[in-house]
Amino acid sequence: GENVEQHPSTLSVQEGDSAVIKCTYSDSASNYFPWYKQELGKRPQLIIDIRSNVGEKKDQRIAVTLNKTAKHFSLHITETQPEDSAVYFCAASINGNKLVFGAGTILRVKS
Amino acid sequence: DAGVIQSPRHEVTEMGQEVTLRCKPISGHDYLFWYRQTMMRGLELLIYFNNNVPIDDSGMPEDRFSAKMPNASFSTLKIQPSEPRDSAVYFCASSIQNTIYFGEGSWLTVV
Repeated sequence: GENVEQHPSTLSVQEGDSAVIKCTYSDSASNYFPWYKQELGKRPQLIIDIRSNVGEKKDQRIAVTLNKTAKHFSLHITETQPEDSAVYFCAASINGNKLVFGAGTILRVKS
Repeated sequence: DAGVIQSPRHEVTEMGQEVTLRCKPISGHDYLFWYRQTMMRGLELLIYFNNNVPIDDSGMPEDRFSAKMPNASFSTLKIQPSEPRDSAVYFCASSIQNTIYFGEGSWLTVV
């Protein structure tokens, strides 16, 4: 089955700097890659997703890139703000079903 | 739309008792998922349904766990008998067109 590895497990950045989180997946059939943000005590919330027919997608300060050949995808957050502090999860699936999640990255933005 | 609704939000129960968690998916969504989140194991998919039919229950940890979806607007996850290692946050999620939305979660503590 699918296996998703996520790095780093913790990331601390200064406010205004960029943050990058990377994930690799094992199943070449996976074609849907969402990213979720989870604040303490809250539910995971979808922040951006990308499908395998696209190499990059951007939404304001966040962007995701996908390299299908290498089977990895990354989340980029620019101009980080304290409210970006949370746990971020990547996931992979075939057609959006049976999402397999990475272990999560704790992002801390220091002001 | 109110989103995915779960109940109870918090439950503390004694080992050996039956626990029933409930979920109302977003109206019109055709997939429903049950996830479990712990610090040690992260977000794990337990089971998912498509149009009320269980599709994959390979993530259900053991026979003590069961899930049903009698209609499009209701699902239950039952643990009988409960054990301390079942303590976790249980998330229900629903999706349409590949985008998965999580409920607020049910925080279960088994003592």
